[in-house]
Amino acid sequence: EVQLVESGGGLVQPGGSLRLSCAASGFTFSSYWMHWVRQAPGKGLVWVSRINSDGSSTSYADSVKGRFTISRDNAKNTLYLQMNSLRAEDTAVYYCARDPRPGVAEYFQHWGQGTLVTVSS
Amino acid sequence: SYVLTQPPSVSVAPGQTARITCGGNNIGSKSVHWYQQKPGQAPVLVVYDDSDRPSGIPERFSGSNSGNTATLTISRVEAGDEADYYCQVWDSSSDHHYVFGTGTKVTVL
Repeated sequence: EVQLVESGGGLVQPGGSLRLSCAASGFTFSSYWMHWVRQAPGKGLVWVSRINSDGSSTSYADSVKGRFTISRDNAKNTLYLQMNSLRAEDTAVYYCARDPRPGVAEYFQHWGQGTLVTVSS
Repeated sequence: SYVLTQPPSVSVAPGQTARITCGGNNIGSKSVHWYQQKPGQAPVLVVYDDSDRPSGIPERFSGSNSGNTATLTISRVEAGDEADYYCQVWDSSSDHHYVFGTGTKVTVL
């Protein structure tokens, strides 16, 4: 069974940093592209970032480009999101998500339960 | 960037049919995917590639896509179908690639 478990969320002051983790199990992690998707309270889903299977290629939404860094450790089956220069508008539940199968990167078949990031003084 | 527009809400009586639209410029040329999200839960994929269903999703959920509108249809609606629904496409012309619709709240009367 595919499992994605996020951690690392919490309360942080504006301008601060936080690193999210997503522990993966139940599949060959190193074969799949992975993503972060966020959802502000009461709002819709927004794609944040993706990384390819070996970590050599990344992409970001304009709203986080230059502030967030996605990475992965295939030996530890873990996905990360380093978030710097955090703003109030980054407050959201952050989900990690997986593609349906290797080589297909158009939608999200599996999702974690999410971790809440609150940016506030 | 590519924009997907959904109606904010749809109301339907139990046993009836709910239709949720997703509008986008020439969306019929793209593959559309749909997610169901219940309060406090992660999204669940209910339709992919316009009209295919993942295993475990009831046949009551179906999709279509043509022209400038994609549609998710829920037949014989049940109380448990009450949720938010989001469409999503992969926009190969954009560096942002993954675009979600604005979301539709389905209320079962």
